Amino acid sequence: SYVLTQPPSLSVAPGRTARISCGGDDIGSRSVHWYQKKPGQAPLLVIYYDSGRPSGIPERFSGSNSGNTATLTISRVEAGDEADYYCQVWDSDSTHRVFGGGTNLAVL
Amino acid sequence: EVQLLESGGGLVQPGGSLTLSCAVSGSSIKNYAMSWVRQAPGKGLEWVSAFSVSGGNTYYTDSVKGRFTISGDNSKNSLYLQMNSLRAEDTAIYYCAKSRSVYEADAFDVWGQGIMVTVSS
Repeated sequence: SYVLTQPPSLSVAPGRTARISCGGDDIGSRSVHWYQKKPGQAPLLVIYYDSGRPSGIPERFSGSNSGNTATLTISRVEAGDEADYYCQVWDSDSTHRVFGGGTNLAVL
Repeated sequence: EVQLLESGGGLVQPGGSLTLSCAVSGSSIKNYAMSWVRQAPGKGLEWVSAFSVSGGNTYYTDSVKGRFTISGDNSKNSLYLQMNSLRAEDTAIYYCAKSRSVYEADAFDVWGQGIMVTVSS
C-alpha cells in the first residue's frame, strides 16, 4: 500500500512560517489533502487537491505538491495553529484512502 | 450545512460485535462518498472503510477486511459500520466523514464529532 511520510514534529515561533512536508513516491502525480486535528476535536480540512482552500480557512494556509514531496505552508503562525496536521491521498492501486503519520506543530 | 452524528459506540469484549451509525443531515448521502476514519489512543488518523451509495462500492483497509461491513440507508440518510470479531487494536475514536463528492480521490470536508469504541475484557 502507498506510504506517506511526515516529520513527527515541528516547532515554530509565532509570526514565522511553518512548512510541513509529506513525502511519497511520485506524490506529485496524486492529489493531496491536508487536515488539522486538535485534541478533543474532529479533524478539519484545511487544503484540498494540493492547494485548494475551503471556505473559512485563512489565506495563511497554502499547499503545493511536486515530485516526491507535498508541502503545507502556514504563514504568520499563530498560537491557535498548534495542532497535528495530516496529509492524505487516494491510492488507486489499492483503492485505499491513505493518511500520513501526522506532524505535531508546536508554536513556541 | 451538512452535519454528521455518530452513535453506537461503547465497551465490548474481544471477539464481540458492535454497529456504529452516522446520521447525516443537510444533504443526501447519495451525493457523496462516505467513510469511517479512526484514531487509536496516542496514534494518528487511520482510514477504515468507504462507501458510495450511488455506485454501491465498498472499500476496506486490510486490517478490517472480512470483519467490518459498511453500508448506507437512503431512506434514513445514514451510514453504518458493522464491526465483528473485534480486537483490542480496534479500540479507537471512530469518525464518520463525508467526501466533497462521489469521487474516491476527493477530500473529507465534513466530519462527525467521533465516537469511542473500546475493546477490552
